[in-house]
Parts: sequence; C-alpha cells; structure tokens
Amino acid sequence: AQSVSQHNHHVILSEAASLELGCNYSYGGTVNLFWYVQYPGQHLQLLLKYFSGDPLVKGIKGFEAEFIKSKFSFNLRKPSVQWSDTAEYFCAVSSSSNTGKLIFGQGTTLQVKP
Amino acid sequence: EAGVAQSPRYKIIEKRQSVAFWCNPISGHATLYWYQQILGQGPKLLIQFQNNGVVDDSQLPKDRFSAERLKGVDSTLKIQPAKLEDSAVYLCASSFNRDGELFFGEGSRLTVL
Repeated sequence: AQSVSQHNHHVILSEAASLELGCNYSYGGTVNLFWYVQYPGQHLQLLLKYFSGDPLVKGIKGFEAEFIKSKFSFNLRKPSVQWSDTAEYFCAVSSSSNTGKLIFGQGTTLQVKP
Repeated sequence: EAGVAQSPRYKIIEKRQSVAFWCNPISGHATLYWYQQILGQGPKLLIQFQNNGVVDDSQLPKDRFSAERLKGVDSTLKIQPAKLEDSAVYLCASSFNRDGELFFGEGSRLTVL
C-alpha cells in the first residue's frame, strides 16, 4: 500500500532562513508527487506537482521540490522564507492508475517568526 | 471563478445521531472527492466520483457512511449513526479531470460528543 512520511511535524524558522521539508513515500510503481499548503483560515491549495520530466519542480511563491527516485523522496525547499509562509504543508502521492487519488502525509506545521 | 462550496462549516452532534454534509464543486469539474481529516493527520480519501459514478470508495466505512452525487454536480456525504471517532474535518474537493490538481473547499468540521 502507498504511504507518505513527513519527517518534521513542526518547524520554526526566522524570516530569511532557508527551508527544507522532508517527504518520503512508499510505492513500487510510477508515482505522481504533490505538495499542498494550507494557510491559516484558508483551504488546501496546490503548491507544486511532479508527474514526469525534470525532477526539479518549481511552484508558486518561490517554492521548489526535487524528486529523487532512488531515495523515494520529494523534499520541499525555499531559499528564504517569509512570515507569510506560515502554514501547514502536506506532501501527497498518487499512482499513475488514478492520479486524483491522493495519499497525504501527516503534514508539517511551519511557523516563521518575523 | 467560484471555489468549492461546502456546508455546514461546523456541526456538533451526539454519538448515534446522523449528519449530512453538502458540497458544490467548481463548475465543469467532473471529478469530486470527499476526504476525512482527523486532527493531526493528513486528509484521507473516503470516496471519489467521476460525474455521478463512483471511482473509488475503498476507504469509506459503508456501514455508517454514504455519499451520492446525483446529476453529476453537487454531492452529499451522510454519517448515520455517528461515532466519537468520526470527529474530523470533512473536505470536499473537485478536479477538472483526474490529473491530481484538486481544488478543495474550506471543509465541514464535525464534533461528535
């Protein structure tokens, strides 16, 4: 069965610090990978996605993620965080047979101090 | 573009009572999903519709949960009877196709006492 593991449950950073959130998945076949974000009081929204091609994916608001197939990882990065990046971040995976059926990790709460 | 609409936003019931949640997806989105998000966990898919047909309901507790999407547009999710462990946020999402870019509603928060 597919599963997603996010290593950091709660991360606290100061503004301008660099961010890396870990995500590992378990699945034997071809996968699609996603990062979703939920800002305080708002709904979940797509940050970026990887289906195929360049393993370095760029998303909105300066975020990027790198797919490393050999490590079953899809870590999220941002070189310099802002206070407005405070949110909960979810990594998700789906299979090629049903790309819309997302398996989510448990989420990482990011708190950015001004 | 209007987003995914859900109601009610909050609901408090006692165990063994019933509850229903409503979702109206983004216009033109053929695929509709219901996810359950328990506090401290990521969302878990309960049921996926393509138009008005069920694509996946493998994780739906069918002894107490039911869902329908009549006419392939809006959808209702019902729980009867509710248990304490059903306390969660119920998220509705829709997508234009099955490409994985889901658009989520704000969710319906259920508390079962």
